[in-house]
Amino acid sequence: SQQGEEDPQALSIQEGENATMNCSYKTSINNLQWYRQNSGRGLVHLILIRSNEREKHSGRLRVTLDTSKKSSSLLITASRAADTASYFCATDEYQAGTALIFGKGTTLSVSS
Amino acid sequence: ETGVTQSPTHLIKTRGQQVTLRCSSQSGHNTVSWYQQALGQGPQFIFQYYREEENGRGNFPPRFSGLQFPNYSSELNVNALELDDSALYLCASSSGSVNTGELFFGEGSRLTVL
Repeated sequence: SQQGEEDPQALSIQEGENATMNCSYKTSINNLQWYRQNSGRGLVHLILIRSNEREKHSGRLRVTLDTSKKSSSLLITASRAADTASYFCATDEYQAGTALIFGKGTTLSVSS
Repeated sequence: ETGVTQSPTHLIKTRGQQVTLRCSSQSGHNTVSWYQQALGQGPQFIFQYYREEENGRGNFPPRFSGLQFPNYSSELNVNALELDDSALYLCASSSGSVNTGELFFGEGSRLTVL
């Protein structure tokens, strides 16, 4: 099953612009994570936000979490061509305890 | 580089055959999780091994089985391959029995079933 659903499915922007991706999930969570995947390769962890946090920053990344709406957003500021990749949100299923559940991802294309 | 290595990187099998995929976890990690990622989809949780025991399983049939060794490396075995098993298989290592933190992924094994 897939817990998170990212929106939009695809996003095309110019270098220097900001990119915003959203994620919605269904059940209670302990934390939410964002991962990045370059084409056909492994996933790389970007940032983790806990259920008692509302906002977190890491370099050009800003993540927000609204547990009342069961949603999160990832903002990448001043995008670069190297940011071109797929981005996935992942949540821990509260009842399962062991699995990270990924959404279908947002494909970001940054053109120079 | 996460320190998680998977082999083989690519392989082609025919329907009905069996396949074994291997994963070496990052040093210091005692937990390995396996995910299946079909084209254009997010990774789907197959199962997790913690200290050589299965510690959670997703919605996959019994022909998907696994093993974890004393050095915490792991194998994923798939019997009676079907066309829909064609996917990227990702291994991820971490510490502890509950997913409260970051997963470290390998580059994956791309399986094509003809």
